[in-house]
Amino acid sequence: GENVEQHPSTLSVQEGDSAVIKCTYSDSASNYFPWYKQELGKRPQLIIDIRSNVGEKKDQRIAVTLNKTAKHFSLHITETQPEDSAVYFCAAIIGNAGNMLTFGGGTRLMVKP
Amino acid sequence: GAGVSQTPSNKVTEKGKYVELRCDPISGHTALYWYRQSLGQGPEFLIYFQGTGAADDSGLPNDRFFAVRPEGSVSTLKIQRTERGDSAVYLCASSVLGAYNEQFFGPGTRLTVL
Repeated sequence: GENVEQHPSTLSVQEGDSAVIKCTYSDSASNYFPWYKQELGKRPQLIIDIRSNVGEKKDQRIAVTLNKTAKHFSLHITETQPEDSAVYFCAAIIGNAGNMLTFGGGTRLMVKP
Repeated sequence: GAGVSQTPSNKVTEKGKYVELRCDPISGHTALYWYRQSLGQGPEFLIYFQGTGAADDSGLPNDRFFAVRPEGSVSTLKIQRTERGDSAVYLCASSVLGAYNEQFFGPGTRLTVL
Protein backbone atom coordinates (compact mmCIF):
# COMPACT_ATOMS: atom_id res chain seq x y z
CA GLY A 1 0.00 0.00 0.00
CA GLU A 2 0.84 3.67 -0.01
CA ASN A 3 3.42 5.05 2.42
CA VAL A 4 3.88 8.77 3.09
CA GLU A 5 6.94 10.15 4.86
CA GLN A 6 6.94 13.72 6.19
CA HIS A 7 9.73 15.90 7.52
CA PRO A 8 10.70 17.70 9.57
CA SER A 9 8.67 16.50 12.54
CA THR A 10 9.07 19.88 14.22
CA LEU A 11 9.84 23.27 12.71
CA SER A 12 10.38 26.54 14.53
CA VAL A 13 10.51 29.82 12.60
CA GLN A 14 10.47 33.50 13.40
CA GLU A 15 7.34 35.44 12.53
CA GLY A 16 7.60 36.70 8.96
CA ASP A 17 9.96 33.96 7.82
CA SER A 18 9.01 31.17 5.42
CA ALA A 19 8.34 27.55 6.38
CA VAL A 20 8.73 24.52 4.14
CA ILE A 21 7.46 21.02 4.89
CA LYS A 22 8.31 18.09 2.63
CA CYS A 23 6.63 14.77 1.97
CA THR A 24 7.48 11.75 -0.13
CA TYR A 25 5.13 9.02 -1.24
CA SER A 26 5.71 5.50 -2.45
CA ASP A 27 2.90 4.65 -4.86
CA SER A 28 3.26 6.25 -8.27
CA ALA A 29 -0.50 5.78 -8.79
CA SER A 30 -1.24 8.45 -6.16
CA ASN A 31 -2.87 11.40 -7.86
CA TYR A 32 -4.25 13.72 -5.22
CA PHE A 33 -2.30 15.38 -2.41
CA PRO A 34 -4.12 17.44 0.25
CA TRP A 35 -2.58 19.26 3.19
CA TYR A 36 -4.38 19.52 6.50
CA LYS A 37 -3.82 21.86 9.45
CA GLN A 38 -4.70 20.62 12.91
CA GLU A 39 -4.69 22.90 15.91
CA LEU A 40 -4.37 21.39 19.36
CA GLY A 41 -7.49 19.43 20.25
CA LYS A 42 -9.23 20.38 17.02
CA ARG A 43 -10.21 18.58 13.84
CA PRO A 44 -7.93 18.49 10.77
CA GLN A 45 -8.89 21.15 8.23
CA LEU A 46 -7.91 21.24 4.57
CA ILE A 47 -5.72 24.22 3.69
CA ILE A 48 -4.66 23.39 0.13
CA ASP A 49 -4.57 20.46 -2.25
CA ILE A 50 -3.00 19.57 -5.57
CA ARG A 51 -3.76 17.03 -8.25
CA SER A 52 -1.12 15.13 -10.14
CA ASN A 53 -1.77 16.96 -13.40
CA VAL A 54 -0.29 20.22 -12.08
CA GLY A 55 3.10 21.03 -10.61
CA GLU A 56 2.26 23.96 -8.37
CA LYS A 57 -0.72 25.62 -6.74
CA LYS A 58 -0.84 28.81 -4.71
CA ASP A 59 -3.41 30.36 -2.39
CA GLN A 60 -2.30 33.64 -0.83
CA ARG A 61 0.57 32.82 1.56
CA ILE A 62 0.35 29.07 0.99
CA ALA A 63 1.70 27.12 -1.96
CA VAL A 64 2.20 23.45 -2.76
CA THR A 65 4.60 21.99 -5.28
CA LEU A 66 4.58 18.48 -6.69
CA ASN A 67 7.35 16.49 -8.35
CA LYS A 68 5.79 13.32 -9.75
CA THR A 69 9.06 11.93 -11.04
CA ALA A 70 10.69 12.12 -7.63
CA LYS A 71 7.41 11.35 -5.85
CA HIS A 72 7.60 14.23 -3.46
CA PHE A 73 5.53 17.30 -2.68
CA SER A 74 6.06 20.28 -0.43
CA LEU A 75 4.08 22.90 1.46
CA HIS A 76 5.40 26.44 1.48
CA ILE A 77 4.10 29.08 3.89
CA THR A 78 5.41 32.60 3.41
CA GLU A 79 5.26 35.53 5.84
CA THR A 80 4.41 33.23 8.71
CA GLN A 81 2.21 34.48 11.52
CA PRO A 82 1.75 33.15 15.08
CA GLU A 83 -1.69 31.82 14.11
CA ASP A 84 0.03 29.51 11.61
CA SER A 85 1.33 27.53 14.59
CA ALA A 86 -0.24 24.07 14.41
CA VAL A 87 0.46 20.52 13.25
CA TYR A 88 0.42 20.12 9.48
CA PHE A 89 -0.25 16.79 7.79
CA CYS A 90 0.35 15.88 4.19
CA ALA A 91 -1.65 13.08 2.63
CA ALA A 92 -1.84 11.12 -0.58
CA ILE A 93 -4.68 9.33 -2.24
CA ILE A 94 -5.02 6.92 -5.09
CA GLY A 95 -8.12 8.42 -6.61
CA ASN A 96 -9.42 5.32 -8.27
CA ALA A 97 -8.63 2.88 -5.47
CA GLY A 98 -10.95 3.67 -2.62
CA ASN A 99 -10.41 7.32 -1.82
CA MET A 100 -8.86 6.73 1.56
CA LEU A 101 -6.20 9.19 2.63
CA THR A 102 -2.75 8.01 3.69
CA PHE A 103 -1.28 10.63 6.02
CA GLY A 104 2.27 11.59 6.83
CA GLY A 105 3.38 11.69 10.45
CA GLY A 106 2.85 15.42 10.83
CA THR A 107 4.99 18.52 11.34
CA ARG A 108 4.58 20.69 14.40
CA LEU A 109 5.15 24.27 13.23
CA MET A 110 5.89 26.91 15.84
CA VAL A 111 5.96 30.54 14.75
CA LYS A 112 7.69 32.72 17.31
CA PRO A 113 6.50 36.35 17.52
CA GLY B 1 -24.55 24.49 7.27
CA ALA B 2 -23.65 22.05 10.00
CA GLY B 3 -20.37 20.23 9.75
CA VAL B 4 -19.55 16.64 10.63
CA SER B 5 -20.46 15.86 14.22
CA GLN B 6 -19.35 13.00 16.43
CA THR B 7 -20.60 11.71 19.75
CA PRO B 8 -19.49 11.27 22.42
CA SER B 9 -16.59 13.71 22.42
CA ASN B 10 -14.90 11.64 25.12
CA LYS B 11 -15.39 8.04 26.14
CA VAL B 12 -13.65 6.31 29.01
CA THR B 13 -14.16 2.58 29.32
CA GLU B 14 -12.62 -0.43 30.97
CA LYS B 15 -10.65 -3.10 29.20
CA GLY B 16 -12.94 -5.76 27.79
CA LYS B 17 -16.00 -3.52 27.44
CA TYR B 18 -17.97 -2.75 24.27
CA VAL B 19 -18.19 0.80 22.88
CA GLU B 20 -20.07 2.54 20.09
CA LEU B 21 -18.93 5.76 18.47
CA ARG B 22 -21.33 7.78 16.35
CA CYS B 23 -20.74 9.99 13.31
CA ASP B 24 -23.22 12.39 11.69
CA PRO B 25 -21.87 13.41 8.27
CA ILE B 26 -22.65 16.55 6.34
CA SER B 27 -26.08 16.25 4.75
CA GLY B 28 -25.84 14.95 1.22
CA HIS B 29 -22.34 13.51 1.55
CA THR B 30 -22.42 10.01 0.16
CA ALA B 31 -18.90 9.05 1.19
CA LEU B 32 -18.00 8.51 4.85
CA TYR B 33 -14.65 7.57 6.35
CA TRP B 34 -13.37 6.50 9.74
CA TYR B 35 -9.79 7.18 10.78
CA ARG B 36 -7.90 6.60 14.03
CA GLN B 37 -5.32 9.06 15.32
CA SER B 38 -2.89 8.07 18.04
CA LEU B 39 -1.05 10.72 20.00
CA GLY B 40 1.58 12.48 17.92
CA GLN B 41 0.73 10.63 14.73
CA GLY B 42 -1.23 11.21 11.57
CA PRO B 43 -4.71 9.76 11.14
CA GLU B 44 -4.82 6.14 9.94
CA PHE B 45 -7.58 4.88 7.68
CA LEU B 46 -10.02 2.35 9.08
CA ILE B 47 -13.05 2.02 6.79
CA TYR B 48 -14.81 3.80 3.94
CA PHE B 49 -18.52 3.80 3.07
CA GLN B 50 -20.18 4.66 -0.21
CA GLY B 51 -23.81 5.05 0.74
CA THR B 52 -24.83 2.16 2.97
CA GLY B 53 -22.11 -0.29 2.00
CA ALA B 54 -18.55 -0.57 3.23
CA ALA B 55 -16.53 -0.05 0.05
CA ASP B 56 -13.22 -0.70 1.80
CA ASP B 57 -12.65 -2.01 5.32
CA SER B 58 -9.00 -2.93 4.85
CA GLY B 59 -7.89 -0.58 7.61
CA LEU B 60 -9.84 -2.24 10.42
CA PRO B 61 -7.14 -3.71 12.68
CA ASN B 62 -9.00 -6.92 13.59
CA ASP B 63 -12.46 -8.46 13.91
CA ARG B 64 -13.18 -6.62 17.16
CA PHE B 65 -13.84 -3.54 15.04
CA PHE B 66 -17.00 -3.16 12.98
CA ALA B 67 -18.85 -0.23 11.45
CA VAL B 68 -22.30 0.24 9.98
CA ARG B 69 -24.18 2.90 8.05
CA PRO B 70 -27.64 1.38 7.63
CA GLU B 71 -29.43 4.33 6.02
CA GLY B 72 -26.52 5.91 4.21
CA SER B 73 -26.19 8.79 6.63
CA VAL B 74 -25.24 8.27 10.29
CA SER B 75 -22.49 5.74 10.92
CA THR B 76 -21.56 3.84 14.06
CA LEU B 77 -18.13 2.39 14.77
CA LYS B 78 -18.34 -0.53 17.16
CA ILE B 79 -15.45 -1.93 19.16
CA GLN B 80 -15.82 -5.18 21.08
CA ARG B 81 -13.64 -6.38 23.97
CA THR B 82 -11.72 -3.12 24.06
CA GLU B 83 -7.99 -3.19 24.75
CA ARG B 84 -5.71 -0.48 26.11
CA GLY B 85 -4.11 -0.23 22.67
CA ASP B 86 -7.44 0.92 21.24
CA SER B 87 -7.04 4.24 23.06
CA ALA B 88 -6.90 7.00 20.46
CA VAL B 89 -8.95 9.74 18.83
CA TYR B 90 -11.41 8.29 16.34
CA LEU B 91 -12.09 10.71 13.50
CA CYS B 92 -14.94 10.59 11.05
CA ALA B 93 -14.90 12.42 7.71
CA SER B 94 -17.39 12.82 4.91
CA SER B 95 -17.30 14.03 1.33
CA VAL B 96 -19.35 14.14 -1.82
CA LEU B 97 -18.65 11.09 -3.92
CA GLY B 98 -15.56 11.32 -6.07
CA ALA B 99 -11.83 10.90 -5.72
CA TYR B 100 -10.72 14.51 -5.51
CA ASN B 101 -13.32 15.97 -3.23
CA GLU B 102 -12.39 17.43 0.13
CA GLN B 103 -12.90 15.20 3.12
CA PHE B 104 -14.44 17.21 5.97
CA PHE B 105 -13.48 15.94 9.39
CA GLY B 106 -15.49 15.79 12.57
CA PRO B 107 -14.05 16.81 15.95
CA GLY B 108 -13.33 13.21 16.88
CA THR B 109 -14.11 10.96 19.81
CA ARG B 110 -11.29 10.51 22.31
CA LEU B 111 -11.46 6.91 23.50
CA THR B 112 -9.57 5.94 26.63
CA VAL B 113 -9.44 2.29 27.64
CA LEU B 114 -8.33 1.81 31.23
